[in-house]
Amino acid sequence: DTGVSQDPRHKITKRGQNVTFRCDPISEHNRLYWYRQTLGQGPEFLTYFQNEAQLEKSRLLSDRFSAERPKGSFSTLEIQRTEQGDSAMYLCASSRTGLEQYFGPGTRLTVT
Amino acid sequence: EDKVVQSPLSLVVHEGDTVTLNCSYEVTNFRSLLWYKQEKKAPTFLFMLTSSGIEKKSGRLSSILDKKELFSILNITATQTGDSAIYLCAVEMTGNQFYFGTGTSLTVIP
Repeated sequence: DTGVSQDPRHKITKRGQNVTFRCDPISEHNRLYWYRQTLGQGPEFLTYFQNEAQLEKSRLLSDRFSAERPKGSFSTLEIQRTEQGDSAMYLCASSRTGLEQYFGPGTRLTVT
Repeated sequence: EDKVVQSPLSLVVHEGDTVTLNCSYEVTNFRSLLWYKQEKKAPTFLFMLTSSGIEKKSGRLSSILDKKELFSILNITATQTGDSAIYLCAVEMTGNQFYFGTGTSLTVIP
């Protein structure tokens, strides 16, 4: 399968713990996006990479969130000191052109 | 404040009906508008629209953009149960940021 993959698919954590998610984009795609989606809402933009450079970051993103794409291939999203409000589906998408995005299956985070 | 508003929020139709989904937007630095279909998994791409008045068509689905009135519609003709999904509209702004609407939930009854 050459689509976007995300790991883990599900994560349950206790409030206050740190979590890290991984996204592997389609191999020739240089653009990578992170979104958060809660029930009944559309995906909410979090951040965007072109190659290894983080070019955009939502102003809604608190300092507890950080993302990296060290070699311009896979990316990680870390949430520190998780809160119950962080419970959501975290989606990763990649694109070659910056227009049509291919989404991964998502990581569902539950903070108890 | 940037916003993308989709209507209706939900819709229930019978197989064979035609539906029209609406997406209006108010954003700074508009570049394009995209439609996605989301079933139980992640969104899948349907259309990208950049120019007014040019219809994009794929099978029973079609879409058009009006950049003067700031809206787009997605039409689905001869609906099938497999069309049941959430349809998301997203607007691309400069800086390659994408702003999604809340979606329209479509249910097609046999």
